[in-house]
Amino acid sequence: DIQMTQSPSSLSASVGDRVTVTCRASQGISRYLNWYQQKPGRAPKLLIFLTSTLQGGVPSRFSGSGSETDFTLTISSLQPEDFATYYCQQSYSTPRTFGQGTRVEIK
Amino acid sequence: QVQLQESGPGLVKPSETLSLTCTVSGGSISRDAWTWIRQPAGKGLEWIGRIYSSGTTNYNPSLKSRVTMSVDTSKNQFSLNLNSVTAADTAVYYCARDTGVLAVAPLGNVFDIWGQGTMVTVSS
Repeated sequence: DIQMTQSPSSLSASVGDRVTVTCRASQGISRYLNWYQQKPGRAPKLLIFLTSTLQGGVPSRFSGSGSETDFTLTISSLQPEDFATYYCQQSYSTPRTFGQGTRVEIK
Repeated sequence: QVQLQESGPGLVKPSETLSLTCTVSGGSISRDAWTWIRQPAGKGLEWIGRIYSSGTTNYNPSLKSRVTMSVDTSKNQFSLNLNSVTAADTAVYYCARDTGVLAVAPLGNVFDIWGQGTMVTVSS
């Protein structure tokens, strides 16, 4: 199985801050990396697929980059509705695996 | 607009079988693949497996010995059976559409539409 490791596990930030979440794969996965946002009590929501492609309706303040083993999710200017937990997920091989999540909290 | 809805018992006794169904509305189950994912309280997401409308399945090796998935195209539903459950199987169970974004699917597939999730507790 491919292990996905996110850092940090949690972070505190203020509205307007630039936020970066890192995801590392235990082996190269090319660009087959997706990001999801989950709010408490809700199902995850697809944000970004294939490392950097925004899902329809996702604000442009979200962006993704990386390749092979190292990936980044960036929120350019954090908004109140962005406080949530973010998960990376590899779509390179089966079983599909997720990172442990990064909780973005209000400072 | 495609929507998914999980249904099934919220309480299952240890050693018994957890059975859930996901109903797909607003679209056909005959395209794409369909996935089950679970999330224990306060923890991360675990992929259980996927099924195609043909009945072809892929399971997580960690659960493979206990998992069976099936599909009923006439009802636009797919199902999950997990046998010999223990307290460790207590979780919110989600169904999701496992859709291809590339011609080389399932490489690159995404979980783009999710059900609301259903909480299943394993307890006597």
